Amino acid sequence: KAGVTQTPRYLIKTRGQQVTLSCSPISGHRSVSWYQQTPGQGLQFLFEYFSETQRNKGNFPGRFSGRQFSNSRSEMNVSTLELGDSALYLCASSLDGGSSTDTQYFGPGTRLTVL
Amino acid sequence: AQSVSQHNHHVILSEAASLELGCNYSYGGTVNLFWYVQYPGQHLQLLLKYFSGDPLVKGIKGFEAEFIKSKFSFNLRKPSVQWSDTAEYFCAVMEGRRALTFGSGTRLQVQP
Repeated sequence: KAGVTQTPRYLIKTRGQQVTLSCSPISGHRSVSWYQQTPGQGLQFLFEYFSETQRNKGNFPGRFSGRQFSNSRSEMNVSTLELGDSALYLCASSLDGGSSTDTQYFGPGTRLTVL
Repeated sequence: AQSVSQHNHHVILSEAASLELGCNYSYGGTVNLFWYVQYPGQHLQLLLKYFSGDPLVKGIKGFEAEFIKSKFSFNLRKPSVQWSDTAEYFCAVMEGRRALTFGSGTRLQVQP
């Protein structure tokens, strides 16, 4: 089975711009979660989508948003980029996110640099 | 809120040495526990997981972890490390159906 794929792998933007990142989950997985990884804050949860609905949300400002499509693919958007948004954005997929034995599998990430 | 502590931030070992990385979490209820590994230039990979049952779980590449409920701990072990184990190791906890909460990671450097 193909793993989680994320596009693009690298992105450079300037402050004030917006960006959209894409994630394709493992085939058959319906839950997609997004995390931000930075050297200072480590891995932090952004949000989780299941059946096109946001089911969980972390403590990030409203500039961070996402959506999920009917084929379970997900996108996240960051508007009005700030320097501090520079990070590795990781997508993880799991079967349904609601099972007590659910396991998340991670993609390679999109490295976003904000200048 | 749930928190996860990894006490060792950077560990340097020689090949064939034994490894133990500490992980403690704060939540007192039912949790699922994970160790992930991030090799240089690669994505996060699942090493092992614990949901219930035998508190000693075995994962890939000879790693194992022991869940000690009374100590809120889930330490990772390997009897003999190899140079290829050089990576960053993350302990993670999932409480109920919520998101993974990660520790700050432990960077392991294995010297040949």
